[in-house]
Amino acid sequence: SQTIHQWPATLVQPVGSPLSLECTVEGTSNPNLYWYRQAAGRGLQLLFYSVGIGQISSEVPQNLSASRPQDRQFILSSKKLLLSDSSFYLCAWGTGQGWNEQFFGPGTRLTVL
Amino acid sequence: KQEVTQIPAALSVPEGENLVLNCSFTDSAIYNLQWFRQDPGKGLTSLLLIQSSQREQTSGRLNASLDKSSGRSTLYIAASQPGDSATYLCVLTGGTSYGKLTFGQGTILTVHP
Repeated sequence: SQTIHQWPATLVQPVGSPLSLECTVEGTSNPNLYWYRQAAGRGLQLLFYSVGIGQISSEVPQNLSASRPQDRQFILSSKKLLLSDSSFYLCAWGTGQGWNEQFFGPGTRLTVL
Repeated sequence: KQEVTQIPAALSVPEGENLVLNCSFTDSAIYNLQWFRQDPGKGLTSLLLIQSSQREQTSGRLNASLDKSSGRSTLYIAASQPGDSATYLCVLTGGTSYGKLTFGQGTILTVHP
């Protein structure tokens, strides 16, 4: 069966520090991968998606970037965090075929102080 | 642009009640519709997925219906339990290859003993 992991689960970082959040998927190959952000009390916002290694598409301009160094690894990064980057970050994977159902990871709670 | 509206925004019911959560969308050109559950501080758990050609899906005490022509979906929960307390999200997938999702704002459900 497929599983999706995210780490860390929680993170507190000072303003201006770098960021690296990791997401890995097991049990499937060549998945579509997604990074979402969910601000407190608000809906989910798609940040990045990837249909293959090294292929990254950005949905909204921001202080963040994404990379996909391996087929089942998706990384969300920032060189200098802003206070407004505080949020709940969710990674998801989808088959990209058929119904394209998406499955979400447990999320990372990021607080920037 | 697809817009998804969920009504009510919050719902509080006594244990044992049957209840209905509503979702409406503006563009009927959808690929599928998913209902997710999100517990506080957690990721999203997929409950049911209805493909665009289907009318309903059932899983245990849950039944989801889809009426594309009227732009509506309902999630029916039978014999509600305190463990059903969570935020329920209605999510639509468009026809793009990467499966971009459009999220409703969610219905916060509280089932009290």
